[in-house]
Amino acid sequence: AQTVTQSQPEMSVQEAETVTLSCTYDTSESDYYLFWYKQPPSRQMILVIRQEAYKQQNATENRFSVNFQKAAKSFSLKISDSQLGDAAMYFCAYTGQGGSEKLVFGKGTKLTVNP
Amino acid sequence: GAVVSQHPSWVICKSGTSVKIECRSLDFQATTMFWYRQFPKQSLMLMATSNEGSKATYEQGVEKDKFLINHASLTLSTLTVTSAHPEDSSFYICSVKKYSNTEAFFGQGTRLTVV
Repeated sequence: AQTVTQSQPEMSVQEAETVTLSCTYDTSESDYYLFWYKQPPSRQMILVIRQEAYKQQNATENRFSVNFQKAAKSFSLKISDSQLGDAAMYFCAYTGQGGSEKLVFGKGTKLTVNP
Repeated sequence: GAVVSQHPSWVICKSGTSVKIECRSLDFQATTMFWYRQFPKQSLMLMATSNEGSKATYEQGVEKDKFLINHASLTLSTLTVTSAHPEDSSFYICSVKKYSNTEAFFGQGTRLTVV
């Protein structure tokens, strides 16, 4: 069974600084997808970034980028120029191919942004 | 992105009563929907996978008779918490995936309080 591990229950960063959130996963599949979701206090789940396993290039979305190491099964999220609005719970998630494949979530990392 | 509407956003009910939560996919037909439960400061726990026109697939440990799932159309899935008890109080979230796109879109969630 696939598992997702986030080893940092809490992280903090100064506004405008950079922070990296860690995620490792375990799977025997070769094709899959990885995601980072943000859950602010409203509890609405918001997609931050996605990575297809077959792509070697790391995904980037504005201030958010990932370091995807397929062999090491590592998928970290880097947030640059942190903003107060980035404060939230961040969940790393894995899914296989197909519409019926479920998302497997890590336990989450609570990010605090200090002004 | 896809729009998923979940209703109600919050509900308070008395012990022993049943509560129905609706999840609607507003802009595409979803053959599969997912229901999650989230306890405070914890991750999302998959309860069941809702399949249109057939029985839902429940995760291990989730009571089928307690949490009734109906996916009668391609745009609507419902979760009914039967004979609710205070321990059923939680945050329930639904999500949908487009078959050709493995990104999951989430409803706003429903906060259930059983008194």
